[in-house]
Amino acid sequence: ELKVEQNPLFLSMQEGKNYTIYCNYSTTSDRLYWYRQDPGKSLESLFVLLSNGAVKQEGRLMASLDTKARLSTLHITAAVHDLSATYFCAVDIPGTYKYIFGTGTRLKVLA
Amino acid sequence: GAVVSQHPSRVICKSGTSVKIECRSLDFQATTMFWYRQFPKQSLMLMATSNEGSKATYEQGVEKDKFLINHASLTLSTLTVTSAHPEDSSFYICSARDPIGGYTFGSGTRLTVV
Repeated sequence: ELKVEQNPLFLSMQEGKNYTIYCNYSTTSDRLYWYRQDPGKSLESLFVLLSNGAVKQEGRLMASLDTKARLSTLHITAAVHDLSATYFCAVDIPGTYKYIFGTGTRLKVLA
Repeated sequence: GAVVSQHPSRVICKSGTSVKIECRSLDFQATTMFWYRQFPKQSLMLMATSNEGSKATYEQGVEKDKFLINHASLTLSTLTVTSAHPEDSSFYICSARDPIGGYTFGSGTRLTVV
């Protein structure tokens, strides 16, 4: 059974600080996704990582993928209040079109 | 980009009634769609994979007779919650595999059963 775990589950940080969210998964996977969810809303796609060593950046967020370690990171640089949301990673189940979501990380950036 | 429309966004129904939720791919054909359920402050749990022209594939523990899925066309999948009970109250989200191999999500449906 494919398991996807994120850490931390909750994160409260000051504006201007840096932090990293980790996503570990239990079996090999072809793709890893990062999403943002605001309260009461659906998911917004942030990044799709397709290969080992892939790194993508958008604004204050940067995602990377290490398929050998089965680990992805989402790094937040100089956090601002608008980044407060829940962040999910998700991985494809090999050989299927299905994918499984991580446990989620609730981020709160304090002004 | 690919757009998935989900309707309704909110629904309140009485216990024992049925509710239908629609998920449409607006600018692409989706042979495969997915239905997720999300309880407050929890992650998304895959309920079933909806396949155009064939039966849906349900995840373990999901009642097929309670959550009826129909994918009769290449742009529409529906989820019907039958004989709804308060414990079925949740946020339901659909997604579709888009032409470039990614996934596009609907806006979600907040179901409240009273």
